[in-house]
Amino acid sequence: AQSVTQPDIHITVSEGASLELRCNYSYGATPYLFWYVQSPGQGLQLLLKYFSGDTLVQGIKGFEAEFKRSQSSFNLRKPSVHWSDAAEYFCAVASEYSSASKIIFGSGTRLSIRP
Amino acid sequence: EAGVTQFPSHSVIEKGQTVTLRCDPISGHDNLYWYRRVMGKEIKFLLHFVKESKQDESGMPNNRFLAERTGGTYSTLKVQPAELEDSGVYFCASSLFDNEQFFGPGTRLTVL
Repeated sequence: AQSVTQPDIHITVSEGASLELRCNYSYGATPYLFWYVQSPGQGLQLLLKYFSGDTLVQGIKGFEAEFKRSQSSFNLRKPSVHWSDAAEYFCAVASEYSSASKIIFGSGTRLSIRP
Repeated sequence: EAGVTQFPSHSVIEKGQTVTLRCDPISGHDNLYWYRRVMGKEIKFLLHFVKESKQDESGMPNNRFLAERTGGTYSTLKVQPAELEDSGVYFCASSLFDNEQFFGPGTRLTVL
């Protein structure tokens, strides 16, 4: 069965510092991977997605993620965080991208920014 | 273009009462999904509509939950009777034909 693990429940980084949020997935075939962000009072917003091709994926708001099949990981990175990045981040996987199906989410990582 | 909207944003009810949540997907999106997040745990899939048909309802927890999508436009999720463990945030999402799902802001349900 597919699953997603986000080992960090809560991370605090200083504004301007770099960020890496960890995500590991379990899926037998080629996974389709997503990162979503939820800011307070907002819905889930798609940051980036991976389904084939270049394993380094660029997303919105300056985020990127790297797919590493050997490590079953899809970590999210940002070189310099801004106070507005404080939110909860979810890694997710789907069995297919090209056809609609359910998405399985990790438990989320809450990011706090230290001024 | 309007995004996915959900109503109400918050609902507080007592155990045993009935609550109906509504989701309006992005216009033209045939796929509509319901998810929920209970007590800070992971967001879990409930069900998936394609137009008015239930494509996958494997995540529905029990028969107290009833989802409908009459006419293939908006959807409702009814909980009857509500129990304490139903408290959480209920998300709706829609997609056109692939898995780029657009999420609504969620409905926070509190059962007392």
